[in-house]
Amino acid sequence: NAGVTQTPKFQVLKTGQSMTLQCAQDMNHEYMSWYRQDPGMGLRLIHYSVGAGITDQGEVPNGYNVSRSTTEDFPLRLLSAAPSQTSVYFCASRAGSLATDTQYFGPGTRLTVL
Amino acid sequence: GENVEQHPSTLSVQEGDSAVIKCTYSDSASNYFPWYKQELGKRPQLIIDIRSNVGEKKDQRIAVTLNKTAKHFSLHITETQPEDSAVYFCAASMGSGYSTLTFGKGTMLLVSP
Repeated sequence: NAGVTQTPKFQVLKTGQSMTLQCAQDMNHEYMSWYRQDPGMGLRLIHYSVGAGITDQGEVPNGYNVSRSTTEDFPLRLLSAAPSQTSVYFCASRAGSLATDTQYFGPGTRLTVL
Repeated sequence: GENVEQHPSTLSVQEGDSAVIKCTYSDSASNYFPWYKQELGKRPQLIIDIRSNVGEKKDQRIAVTLNKTAKHFSLHITETQPEDSAVYFCAASMGSGYSTLTFGKGTMLLVSP
């Protein structure tokens, strides 16, 4: 199993551009989530999904959209990038409905918005 | 919502010493407390977790203790080694349903040879 994969690894955008960060998992996990990591701020939840067709907002959802059309994929969309969205983005998944299931992280995407 | 405070933000120790990282949480309904280790440029990885029906859990050189009355939990690393150098995150959740994890801001542990 590849586990949780993310593409791209690095991305530079200009203010106002849009892009999609890709996340996929091959473990048939129900629960997937997106975090952003900023220096000194820890990991903050952006959006999460408990299954195909179901998404919800986390702590810092503004400026980001998500959808979950399949169990495997959970893309994160930036509609109009801003410098404040410069960060490292991690996708994560866990097996099911129990928060005590181990959460596995992807390798991350480092995004710079100029 | 849940709030997790983590201290210290940086911790420097000599190889062989012990290291202790402490976290407090605000929501008394939280009952699942994992710890993640993140090496430089890598993804966070679960190293140990504890549930509210347990006061202490050990795994070789690492241990976690939980005090539900005081709403705090701690990570203890004994006989530290240079490869223990990393950022450590604590987290908390209600542990039921589709509860989300709330993370602390992290502790950078530096172990000097």
